[in-house]
Amino acid sequence: DQQVKQNSPSLSVQEGRISILNCDYTNSMFDYFLWYKKYPAEGPTFLISISSIKDKNEDGRFTVFLNKSAKHLSLHIVPSQPGDSAVYFCAAFNTGGFKTIFGAGTRLFVKA
Amino acid sequence: DTAVSQTPKYLVTQMGNDKSIKCEQNLGHDTMYWYKQDSKKFLKIMFSYNNKELIINETVPNRFSPKSPDKAHLNLHINSLELGDSAVYFCASSRDRGGNYEQYFGPGTRLTVT
Repeated sequence: DQQVKQNSPSLSVQEGRISILNCDYTNSMFDYFLWYKKYPAEGPTFLISISSIKDKNEDGRFTVFLNKSAKHLSLHIVPSQPGDSAVYFCAAFNTGGFKTIFGAGTRLFVKA
Repeated sequence: DTAVSQTPKYLVTQMGNDKSIKCEQNLGHDTMYWYKQDSKKFLKIMFSYNNKELIINETVPNRFSPKSPDKAHLNLHINSLELGDSAVYFCASSRDRGGNYEQYFGPGTRLTVT
C-alpha cells in the first residue's frame, strides 16, 4: 500500500537545464509534504517543504509545486548542477498520525 | 560536530545473533525515529519516541526493541537476527513530532545477516 509514489526511478538532465521530479499520493489527509536529498553512504537531508494550504514554495534554485486536486507534487530544480546528482525522496505527513511516509526515491543524474 | 550519529556504520553478523545499533543526536530535539530502508529502497518508519515516550510502533517483529534512555539517545536492539533483517537502518530526529519539522538523519547502519 504505497501512499506516496515516485514513478520515475531515475532521471537524467543536462547541466543548466531544469530538473522536474514528480510525486503522487493517495491519502487526502496528508497536510504537509517534504523533499529530501540523499547522497550515497549518507542519510537523507531535508531540502524543501510545503504545507497543504499552499500551492508553491520556492527556495533558491528549488521550487515545490502542489496540486491537491490531482494529489500530485513536483520538485523543480533550475538550473541543475552536477552536485544535484543524488536520490530525491518525496515525503508526506498527516498531523493526526505523526508519521512521515516516504516514496521510493528518484535518482537524478545531472550531466556536465 | 555530527548532529545525528549512529554506530556502527557497518554490521555483518550471522543468523540467530543479537545485535544493537546506537543513535545519538546533539540537536536538542524532542523526537527520534528509526527507519528501515529495504532492498526496494523504501524508507519505512519502525519506531518513534517523543521525549522518551514511544509514539509510533509500526508492525515490526517483536525481535526489534527500541530503547530511549534519554531524549538524546535512541538505540535499536535486534534479537535472533534473520536474513530478511538485512537492510540499511537510519536513525533520525526532529524538533518535535509535528510534520512541519524536518527530520535530521544519521548516516545509516548497513546490516548484513549471513
